[in-house]
Amino acid sequence: GESVGLHLPTLSVQEGDNSIINCAYSNSASDYFIWYKQESGKGPQFIIDIRSNMDKRQGQRVTVLLNKTVKHLSLQIAATQPGDSAVYFCADNLTGGGNKLTFGTGTQLKVEL
Amino acid sequence: GAVVSQHPSRVICKSGTSVKIECRSLDFQATTMFWYRQFPKQSLMLMATSNEGSKATYEQGVEKDKFLINHASLTLSTLTVTSAHPEDSSFYICSVGASGGVADTQYFGPGTRLTVL
Repeated sequence: GESVGLHLPTLSVQEGDNSIINCAYSNSASDYFIWYKQESGKGPQFIIDIRSNMDKRQGQRVTVLLNKTVKHLSLQIAATQPGDSAVYFCADNLTGGGNKLTFGTGTQLKVEL
Repeated sequence: GAVVSQHPSRVICKSGTSVKIECRSLDFQATTMFWYRQFPKQSLMLMATSNEGSKATYEQGVEKDKFLINHASLTLSTLTVTSAHPEDSSFYICSVGASGGVADTQYFGPGTRLTVL
């Protein structure tokens, strides 16, 4: 079956540094990828997405990189702030798959002051 | 993105009782809603896809008679946990998204914390 996994369960960074969260996916047919942020006790919040016809997409302080050759996805957060502390999930989707997302295991980002 | 609400935000019930959780799409007519459950420090697990005006589609291993889903309008889907037991205690989250076709994102509600005593 398909799996979407993360390399690191916990990432600690200093405030102001850049954070990089990685994700690997297994289904080469996946064509849409999303990063979500989930704070404790809350639902996932959409951060940024990317389709498979792109390899990079930038938002406000965040960048998503997609490497289809090695089926790898990353989320870069610039100038990490205490408010960025949360669990980050990658998810993938597949056109024609009923819009069902498959979530990765999550990475806990901890921002140290 | 779509704004999604859930009610209640948390509920405590006795074993054997039924609990209904509401998911509302406040600014988006959702023909499709999704229900997930999440255990502590774990990822989201899709339980079922809720389709407006038709039966829900359940994921493998999810008991449809235990987790009743009703999607009677474009803005409301309900999940009823019947005869709840302590092992049903979890964080239940709904989302709204596209109805199929091109893959698209989902927007999530704030979640409902269910505790079964």
